[in-house]
Amino acid sequence: SQELEQSPQSLIVQEGKNLTINCTSSKTLYGLYWYKQKYGEGLIFLMMLQKGGEEKSHEKITAKLDEKKQQSSLHITASQPSHAGIYLCGADIVAGGYQKVTFGIGTKLQVIP
Amino acid sequence: GAVVSQHPSRVICKSGTSVKIECRSLDFQATTMFWYRQFPKKSLMLMATSNEGSKATYEQGVEKDKFLINHASLTLSTLTVTSAHPEDSSFYICSADRQGATEAFFGQGTRLTVV
Repeated sequence: SQELEQSPQSLIVQEGKNLTINCTSSKTLYGLYWYKQKYGEGLIFLMMLQKGGEEKSHEKITAKLDEKKQQSSLHITASQPSHAGIYLCGADIVAGGYQKVTFGIGTKLQVIP
Repeated sequence: GAVVSQHPSRVICKSGTSVKIECRSLDFQATTMFWYRQFPKKSLMLMATSNEGSKATYEQGVEKDKFLINHASLTLSTLTVTSAHPEDSSFYICSADRQGATEAFFGQGTRLTVV
């Protein structure tokens, strides 16, 4: 079962529009990461959130972690073609007695010029 | 859906020994695979890009001779941690690119503990 629910799975927006991607867990998250992936390039680290209510920004991308630390949103303002790619949320979990990273299914973003 | 299998999920080894981690794409061919390492409470760090039939491309600061990567077939990439030291203890995870796919495919990860 997917421990991190990510939505939407696919998103097509017009250049200049704003968009939001959500990542939800049924459990409290102790470390929530946002990554971007482009085909053939691997993961690019965007931001890490740890505290309830925390918000971070990088250029036109803002990520928030809710007070309960169970939901995070990634918001892109005035999207550009360079924002296109797959956005993944990831979190630290404990499974089988040891710590590992789990990921959401990813959101494919296309930005139409 | 596409599956990437990583083995072993957990390994404990003695200092000075070598450990091999396998990453297999079970139902698709992956010309490119990626190896990541995570430090406690930190983001994943891309170590190298593994290309089938050619040498891996290592990120800056990653020791090529210590972290040997082999991508001998379209479905298998291996990461060998040579002469392991306690500071190599970490969580290692691989991912594979599938042409035309809209999502990323990750292995289950390997927790390496060097004692």
